[in-house]
Order: sequence, then C-alpha cells, then structure tokens
Amino acid sequence: AQTVTQSQPEMSVQEAETVTLSCTYDTSESDYYLFWYKQPPSRQMILVIRQEAYKQQNATENRFSVNFQKAAKSFSLKISDSQLGDAAMYFCAYLVQGGSEKLVFGKGTKLTVNP
Amino acid sequence: DTAVSQTPKYLVTQMGNDKSIKCEQNLGHDTMYWYKQDSKKFLKIMFSYNNKELIINETVPNRFSPKSPDKAHLNLHINSLELGDSAVYFCASRPWAGGSDEQFFGPGTRLTVL
Repeated sequence: AQTVTQSQPEMSVQEAETVTLSCTYDTSESDYYLFWYKQPPSRQMILVIRQEAYKQQNATENRFSVNFQKAAKSFSLKISDSQLGDAAMYFCAYLVQGGSEKLVFGKGTKLTVNP
Repeated sequence: DTAVSQTPKYLVTQMGNDKSIKCEQNLGHDTMYWYKQDSKKFLKIMFSYNNKELIINETVPNRFSPKSPDKAHLNLHINSLELGDSAVYFCASRPWAGGSDEQFFGPGTRLTVL
C-alpha cells in the first residue's frame, strides 16, 4: 500500500524568507501523481501544486515550487518570499489510481510565519 | 457560488444518536468522496462514489452509511454515534474516477460527540 511521510510536524519561517517542507512516499507504481494541499485555520483544503511523476520538470506555481526526486521518492515543497497568509497546515498527498482513485495523505506540517 | 457545500458546518450531539451530513457539488463532477480528519489532523478516505455507485469503502464501521441520491449529492449517515466519531468530515469531488484531476473539497463538518 502507498504511504506518505511528512517528517516535520511543525516548521516556522520569517516573513519574506524561504522554507522547504519535506515529503517522502512509498510506491511500486511508475506513473502517479503527487499533490500539496494547504489547510489554513478556516479548515478549507486548497490545492497548492501538483506533479505528474512522468514529468521530469519540477512544477511551479508562483511562489510555490517542488523538488521532485523520483528515484528517492521525495517530493518537497519550497515556499519563497513567505507571507503571513501562508501560515497553515500543509499536506502532501499521493493519488492512488486504478479505477478507484483516492488521495493518501501525509500527517501534515504546521507552518508558522513570523512577522 | 460554492462548488462543494456541506451542511451542517458544525454538529454537536450525544453518544448513541443518529445524525446525517449532507454534501452537494455544483461542478458537474461524477465522483464524490468522504474523508475523515481526526483530532491530530490526519486525513483518511472513507468512501467514494462514481455516478451514484460505491467504488471505495475503506474498512469503515457499518454504522456509517453513505447515500448518493444523484451524482451531485453524497450524504453520510452515522448511526449510534460514539465518542471516537468526533472529527471533521470533508466531502470532495472530482470530474471523474480516472485521471489526475484535483479533488475539490467542501468546507468540512466538525462533528462533536458528547
């Protein structure tokens, strides 16, 4: 079964600086999809970024980018120029495919942004 | 114009009661999900429906019964509520059961069982 591990329960960053959140996963599949979701105090789950495993190029969305290392099964999220609104829980997720697609989530990293 | 809505947002009830949570999506998606987020924020899938057909049932106690009257709605009924059922329940939807499209989440329902 696929598993997702986020080894950092909590992280903090100064406003305007850069922070990297770690995620590793375990799978025997060769083609799959990975996601980072953000959950602010409002509780809403918001998609931050998506990576297709067959793409070698790392995904980027404005200040958010990933470092996808397929061989190492690592999928870290880099947030540049951190803003107060980035404070949230961040969840790494793996999309299990095969007719009954579902997301398997890591346990999350709580990010604090200090002014 | 809420894409995925859930009612109620908060639910406080006594042990042993039966309660329902409703979910509706106006995105025209075929696939809907229920996830449970426990007190440690861990999110885990419970059920998935595709076009009103159950396709995922993740070893959830049979006190939990999902119902999909049409593909825009997926409700969750819980019988004989227990303290351990206290959690936030999220509904989600995606266009169809295959592919890599993102899942759109509802705002969550915080269930507290006293």
